[in-house]
Amino acid sequence: DTGVSQNPRHKITKRGQNVTFRCDPISEHNRLYWYRQTLGQGPEFLTYFQNEAQLEKSRLLSDRFSAERPKGSFSTLEIQRTEQGDSAMYLCASSLVRHATTQGRNTEAFFGQGTRLTVV
Amino acid sequence: QKEVEQDPGPLSVPEGAIVSLNCTYSNSAFQYFMWYRQYSRKGPELLMYTYSSGNKEDGRFTAQVDKSSKYISLFIRDSQPSDSATYLCAMSAEALRWSYIPTFGRGTSLIVHP
Repeated sequence: DTGVSQNPRHKITKRGQNVTFRCDPISEHNRLYWYRQTLGQGPEFLTYFQNEAQLEKSRLLSDRFSAERPKGSFSTLEIQRTEQGDSAMYLCASSLVRHATTQGRNTEAFFGQGTRLTVV
Repeated sequence: QKEVEQDPGPLSVPEGAIVSLNCTYSNSAFQYFMWYRQYSRKGPELLMYTYSSGNKEDGRFTAQVDKSSKYISLFIRDSQPSDSATYLCAMSAEALRWSYIPTFGRGTSLIVHP
């Protein structure tokens, strides 16, 4: 399979529990993004990695959220002490940022199917 | 004001119609423009990618970028019921801190009825 893979697809958890999601990007991609999407809204940026380095986090990423990308391959997103407001679709995307060409750097991002989190 | 504005719709059209979907944006640094299609409870699927201004055609889909007006469009010809989905525009810039991070509109819900 050459696409972005996310696991699990669905997660139901009780408030206060910790959850961890996994994303496996397209193998040759050096960029990995995490987004959150709620009903009726577009994806909102959370954080991204360039290889194994986490280069940016949005203000949406509270202290209860942590992301890792060991060895620049798969990534995990952990939410500690979940709250009902964390219920959303968590999306992972990957892209390849490469040397500039006449067509730019071809930075289009490809998404996985998402992990739907429900906090009860 | 959000950086990327997109009318949420819904937009309802008969089968076979030409559909026009649009986004406006405020950040003149945006250079990379994408359109995604998202079915209910699925991840976004990349449809079109455009660098800088101009038009790009792929089958029934045409993407247009007008950087002077900060306005992008996606046209769907001969629309089909299977095109019923939410269409998301996204754009990114080569700025230092937020380099290439796609910023999304909220999506337009399209309904194509037989």
